Amino acid sequence: KQEVTQIPAALSVPEGENLVLNCSFTDSAIYNLQWFRQDPGKGLTSLLLIQSSQREQTSGRLNASLDKSSGRSTLYIAASQPGDSATYLCAVTGSARQLTFGSGTQLTVLP
Amino acid sequence: NAGVTQTPKFQVLKTGQSMTLQCAQDMNHNSMYWYRQDPGMGLRLIYYSASEGTTDKGEVPNGYNVSRLNKREFSLRLESAAPSQTSVYFCASIVDRAGEKLFFGSGTQLSVL
Repeated sequence: KQEVTQIPAALSVPEGENLVLNCSFTDSAIYNLQWFRQDPGKGLTSLLLIQSSQREQTSGRLNASLDKSSGRSTLYIAASQPGDSATYLCAVTGSARQLTFGSGTQLTVLP
Repeated sequence: NAGVTQTPKFQVLKTGQSMTLQCAQDMNHNSMYWYRQDPGMGLRLIYYSASEGTTDKGEVPNGYNVSRLNKREFSLRLESAAPSQTSVYFCASIVDRAGEKLFFGSGTQLSVL
């Protein structure tokens, strides 16, 4: 059974800092990996999707990498802003085309 | 273009009561999903529908039923609510391929007393 782990569960950084969020998964047989953002009381918004054949994807200040063989992904946020404060979740799509989610990292960017 | 719409946003039930959570998407997506989100446990799949007329169990289907009414709508029913079903419920949809992004509704916060 696929398991997805995100460490740390919570992270607090000062504004302007570059930061990395980590995601690991136990089964490397995946179709893709997605990073989502969730604001309090809201649904999830897909930020980046990396296909299994890709190594990274970029969108603005966000860069996500994927190392399928080692079962790891990172989400890099450059020049963090208070508006980046949210919970970030990663999810992998497995052979049954179902997503398995991590529990998320709650990010707080302090002004 | 509203995306994925869920109703209601909040609901309080007593143990044993029944209710239906509604979900509709206007993106012409084939696949739809129901998840529950509990603190520290991430999102867990309850049921999904790969296409109109088909439904399948996910990781935690007990105590729930679903109906894929048409391509747009996918409802989740609690026949006899239990306190363990207190959670936030999310509906999601995707075109139909594993390589596409998943779109979520804004969620239903359900409390069962």
